[in-house]
Amino acid sequence: DADVTQTPRNRITKTGKRIMLECSQTKGHDRMYWYRQDPGLGLRLIYYSFDVKDINKGEISDGYSVSRQAQAKFSLSLESAIPNQTALYFCATEMGTGELFFGEGSRLTVL
Amino acid sequence: DQQVKQNSPSLSVQEGRISILNCDYTNSMFDYFLWYKKYPAEGPTFLISISSIKDKNEDGRFTVFLNKSAKHLSLHIVPSQPGDSAVYFCAASLFYNQGGKLIFGQGTELSVKP
Repeated sequence: DADVTQTPRNRITKTGKRIMLECSQTKGHDRMYWYRQDPGLGLRLIYYSFDVKDINKGEISDGYSVSRQAQAKFSLSLESAIPNQTALYFCATEMGTGELFFGEGSRLTVL
Repeated sequence: DQQVKQNSPSLSVQEGRISILNCDYTNSMFDYFLWYKKYPAEGPTFLISISSIKDKNEDGRFTVFLNKSAKHLSLHIVPSQPGDSAVYFCAASLFYNQGGKLIFGQGTELSVKP
């Protein structure tokens, strides 16, 4: 089983719908991250959490919210999805060294 | 404005030869740099890193060079193998203790031909 698991792996939705992407990890790391990948732009940080009670905005947090339900779980929500949120989303964990451990990604398409 | 840039979207090399992937950055406050490798349908995986107090770091076939005066780093893969074909991302961190708060480049797709 993967150390960082993301669900769903693929999702197609319509503009205005609420979407939640879930992430769970078995690495025991305190730090968790959500990144988004767009063609030609690399990966950009949406939100991060250094422990269960710590939530911080990243570079592109507008339109997103997160919940850290436990050390092992970090979910990303789009309250009202829009087409420019179509992207590949990655959850990652890390233990303070900068070495991120990524999940396999969740591909979201907003029509 | 892109603070970390990989100006070559793609690179093709012959098996056994050297692959050189380049990365430029604009913020002189970056003090830690990393390279990640990504295969299709998988998440990126950490490859190698370098602190700003060093100018070179090696790990097997992979070497990263840092030129702070030029704000440039490069990843050398010698010898290149077909299994190295992937997208490579360079990334930078403002402070080492900020861990995974990274600024990524756009990526370079490496193709190693047999």
